Amino acid sequence: QVQLQESGPGLVKPSGTLSLTCAVSGVSISNSIWWSWVRQPPGKGLEWIGEIYHSGSTNYSPSLKSRVTISVDKSTNQFSLKVTSVTAADTAVYYCASRPLYSSSFFDYWGQGALVIVSS
Amino acid sequence: QSVLTQPPSVSGAPGQRVTISCTGTTSNVGAGYDVHWFQQFPGTAPKLLIYGNHNRPSGVPDRFSGSKSGTSASLAITGLQAEDEADYYCQSYDSSLSGVVFGGGTKLTVL
Repeated sequence: QVQLQESGPGLVKPSGTLSLTCAVSGVSISNSIWWSWVRQPPGKGLEWIGEIYHSGSTNYSPSLKSRVTISVDKSTNQFSLKVTSVTAADTAVYYCASRPLYSSSFFDYWGQGALVIVSS
Repeated sequence: QSVLTQPPSVSGAPGQRVTISCTGTTSNVGAGYDVHWFQQFPGTAPKLLIYGNHNRPSGVPDRFSGSKSGTSASLAITGLQAEDEADYYCQSYDSSLSGVVFGGGTKLTVL
């Protein structure tokens, strides 16, 4: 079955770059799927960060667009997230998730989440 | 501030019926984009509860139902059970933002 697994440093210094990778298994990353990142600050709600298609086409949240890059590696069936110039406000559980290609589709698979703390 | 508006909290006694609203605008829910609902327990990833406004994935009890009208959608839970105590989120798509949008989440308390 489809599984997604986040990995990356759990602690990032302020002004640094947050980097996470999502390993996809059970399905090819080249399928008709948007590969997404969603985050959730402690005690708060879900926030969509952005997504990528295997062709490299991306969509980003306007509020994060200037600091976010999502990339895909078809050779390893993984996709990645980078957030630059992080502050304490970027402390959150980061989820990778997938949703079918059409615009108003739902997230059908989620990773377990990775807690990233921004602190010196 | 979330694009989709949900009440922060709702509550009900076991066996009762509760509803959670999700209010959007003419660029998301009102534009005809589907609304989906997720249930989330502390420390776990969200779980799909309702997709395409009113459809239940296999395994979701029929106590959960969804509806949509105009710029709003609703999740109804009947025969409330203690195990339903969780956070609930609505999700849709926004054409002006060209991206996915979530509601702020609603905490359901079973009294």
